[in-house]
This record gives sequence, structure tokens and C-alpha cells, in this order.
Amino acid sequence: LAKTTQPISMDSYEGQEVNITCSHNNIATNDYITWYQQFPSQGPRFIIQGYKTKVTNEVASLFIPADRKSSTLSLPRVSLSDTAVYYCLVGDPWGGSQGNLIFGKGTKLSVKP
Amino acid sequence: GAVVSQHPSRVICKSGTSVKIECRSLDFQATTMFWYRQFPKKSLMLMATSNEGSKATYEQGVEKDKFLINHASLTLSTLTVTSAHPEDSSFYICSAPLLGGEFTDTQYFGPGTRLTVL
Repeated sequence: LAKTTQPISMDSYEGQEVNITCSHNNIATNDYITWYQQFPSQGPRFIIQGYKTKVTNEVASLFIPADRKSSTLSLPRVSLSDTAVYYCLVGDPWGGSQGNLIFGKGTKLSVKP
Repeated sequence: GAVVSQHPSRVICKSGTSVKIECRSLDFQATTMFWYRQFPKKSLMLMATSNEGSKATYEQGVEKDKFLINHASLTLSTLTVTSAHPEDSSFYICSAPLLGGEFTDTQYFGPGTRLTVL
């Protein structure tokens, strides 16, 4: 599992666009980039996944540059309900490990009115 | 560190049979556990939240009568795939949050169960 680096926290206001960048310098050729959202006391939920360039769904967009060493999750016009922790994972979460996967610190997004 | 186990690690069954998968938190108690299914390209899809002492809550689109969840104790949750069909073949994973851990709501994942329905 490639190591990822994200900002610990971000603040935003309702209606703004939020961009969260994740660095993954050691991404492997076959690795996909997946973002999850987690609310307090709930399990992480899948948001979006991509391999290269841009991916968009009804919730978010994912921008991946040509070198794939980073990715940016873009949340358009956030609302208070988007306040959550966002995790970036690269590759197979298990990658041969024996469990005990930890999603890592993620980015805590706080949306204010 | 915290450990979550799953049993069995791999199961092959015939279409129409039911399969039970156990998830155990080995050195901590978990009033809540989560069940996931892994899809191609390795993404995890949250299926349901298992609650000790009460009914499980299911994500939209997940059939609760198909995937029965029982949280029997503070360390055990079971997922039963009823009347399994080939399309249920997948990798099923559970997780349990360790409250008060290094990170907020740290999730510890089990090693997963590979289900193959013939």
C-alpha cells in the first residue's frame, strides 16, 4: 500500500468548493486511487476512484496529474453535511498484509455556515 | 495493537446455500462493527453497520434479508449470506473502530473472507 500524505484539517464555508490534495509519490503502475468519507461513529464510505486524468460522479471530482504522484478530491459547493474526515488510499488496501489496516489520519474537513 | 479477525478466510459453496462469516475483535470491545464488500479495482463498499444489542443498519441498495447481520457480543459480529448466488462471490471485510486510539475513530480491519459461490 503506497504511503499517502494529506493535510490534517481544512476549514471551509457553505457553498464553497473544497479541494483536498493527497500525495502518493510511490504509487505503483497498477494502483488505483480511492477516496473515502467518514462521519463520526460510522464506517468509511467510498466516494470516488480513479486511475489518471479526471473522474467525476454525482458527489465529487477527482483530478490526477500525468505523473500520478498526487491526486485532488474536489467537492463542489460544500454544505454542513460534508463535514467529515476524508481519506485517500492508493492501491490494494491489503497488499498482502494480514489485516489491521488503518486508514490513517485523513483530512478533517469542517464546513461552517 | 488492536486486532480484528475473520473466519473463515476463504469459503466455497454451492448456489442456494447460506454462508456465515464471523468478525471478532480480539483485544478490545466494539459496540459497532462495519461490513464491507470489495469490488474490482480494490474499492471498499460499506454494506452495513452492525450494532451490539440492536438491529443492523444497512446502506442503500443492500438487501437486509440477503445479508443477515447479528452482533452477538461486544467482540463478535456475524454476516450470513443467505441463499448465495454466484453474483455474491466477493471479498467481504469487517472493521471495528477503536475509540480513544491514536486517530479519531481509528478503524481496524479484518483480513477479509473470500467467498466463491459455484
